[in-house]
Amino acid sequence: DGGITQSPKYLFRKEGQNVTLSCEQNLNHDAMYWYRQDPGQGLRLIYYSQIVNDFQKGDIAEGYSVSREKKESFPLTVTSAQKNPTAFYLCASKGPRTIYFGEGSWLTVV
Amino acid sequence: GQQVMQIPQYQHVQEGEDFTTYCNSSTTLSNIQWYKQRPGGHPVFLIQLVKSGEVKKQKRLTFQFGEAKKNSSLHITATQTTDVGTYFCAMVSGTYKYIFGTGTRLKVLA
Repeated sequence: DGGITQSPKYLFRKEGQNVTLSCEQNLNHDAMYWYRQDPGQGLRLIYYSQIVNDFQKGDIAEGYSVSREKKESFPLTVTSAQKNPTAFYLCASKGPRTIYFGEGSWLTVV
Repeated sequence: GQQVMQIPQYQHVQEGEDFTTYCNSSTTLSNIQWYKQRPGGHPVFLIQLVKSGEVKKQKRLTFQFGEAKKNSSLHITATQTTDVGTYFCAMVSGTYKYIFGTGTRLKVLA
């Protein structure tokens, strides 16, 4: 199946730990994105990447880091510097007309 | 930075009633897109509007782009329980940066 795969779907993190969320796409899209969604809230852009080895900060990049070493992959690391990381994280990639989202990853800090 | 505001934030309607959500931008938009996110799911593309004053219909959904290309609306006629979810508008800043509105959460009471 073609699409965007995010893993894990559910993740629990202890305070002070870094965690990495995986995002893989087989749509051959150049641009990829990470959004954060808090319960009942909108989507806020964390980082986006237009092409391999290049990425830009979105509106809420503090406490997060990304890499884009391969076209298919755009992992997001939530660092211990992110003060309130509990949220739903959505990865997306850009097609000719629109962007396509993965199923999302729920991160909870315990 | 650029922002897209949506109103209302929440809307509860009785099944069969109409529903409208509005999207407003502080800047002129080149185009606007609408997405629907079902509860527990990920956003899915509905439509894109490009021309000033453009109106597009998808069955019971009517999308409109303002004459000044600063606002847009989504109207659902005779809501059904399958319409439940959060509706987002999105603007594209440049070629790659997608900025989503705050969303309107629709609940349909049977």
